[in-house]
Amino acid sequence: EAQVTQNPRYLITVTGKKLTVTCSQNMNHEYMSWYRQDPGLGLRQIYYSMNVEVTDKGDVPEGYKVSRKEKRNFPLILESPSPNQTSLYFCASSLVREGHEQFFGPGTRLTVL
Amino acid sequence: AQSVTQLGSHVSVSEGALVLLRCNYSSSVPPYLFWYVQYPNQGLQLLLKYTTGATLVKGINGFEAEFKKSETSFHLTKPSAHMSDAAEYFCAVSGLNNNDMRFGAGTRLTVKP
Repeated sequence: EAQVTQNPRYLITVTGKKLTVTCSQNMNHEYMSWYRQDPGLGLRQIYYSMNVEVTDKGDVPEGYKVSRKEKRNFPLILESPSPNQTSLYFCASSLVREGHEQFFGPGTRLTVL
Repeated sequence: AQSVTQLGSHVSVSEGALVLLRCNYSSSVPPYLFWYVQYPNQGLQLLLKYTTGATLVKGINGFEAEFKKSETSFHLTKPSAHMSDAAEYFCAVSGLNNNDMRFGAGTRLTVKP
């Protein structure tokens, strides 16, 4: 089944404790992206990657890191989480093609205390 | 640059009534337009998209949307609401590049029995 998977689905952590949210897709998509969803703000892009070893900042990159060492994986790293990073996070993937839709993972709900 | 405005953060309809969710966009290039649906505790899934050609686009679950360039709108409609349509709906616009996709703030649809 074609899908985007994320782990963990739920995470409660404390300020400053490094964490990684994994994302993997099995559709051989070149493009991958991370979004955060906050009430009233919709989805805002954190980072994206057009292909292996190619990453770039989205609209809200502060406090986050990513890497793209393999085509299928695109982990999101919070090296020193803060309470304002409490949010719902989505990973998405797509072909690099005009007008192509993005496929989304199930989401990771992160709470930083 | 692209942007999306969804009018109404909450819409409530009775079962069997018309569903109308409004979306206006801004784009410096001919846009690609999308509607996504998010059911509770799930990721976003594509309802329908407009790329080129026919301006009335039909999607899954009986939804359709019409691209009106003169009004810069892409409103989502369904003739008869069903209880299972209760969800959050996001309109999105993209330009020539995958990383240009921008989402509206979302509209939560409630369906009353």
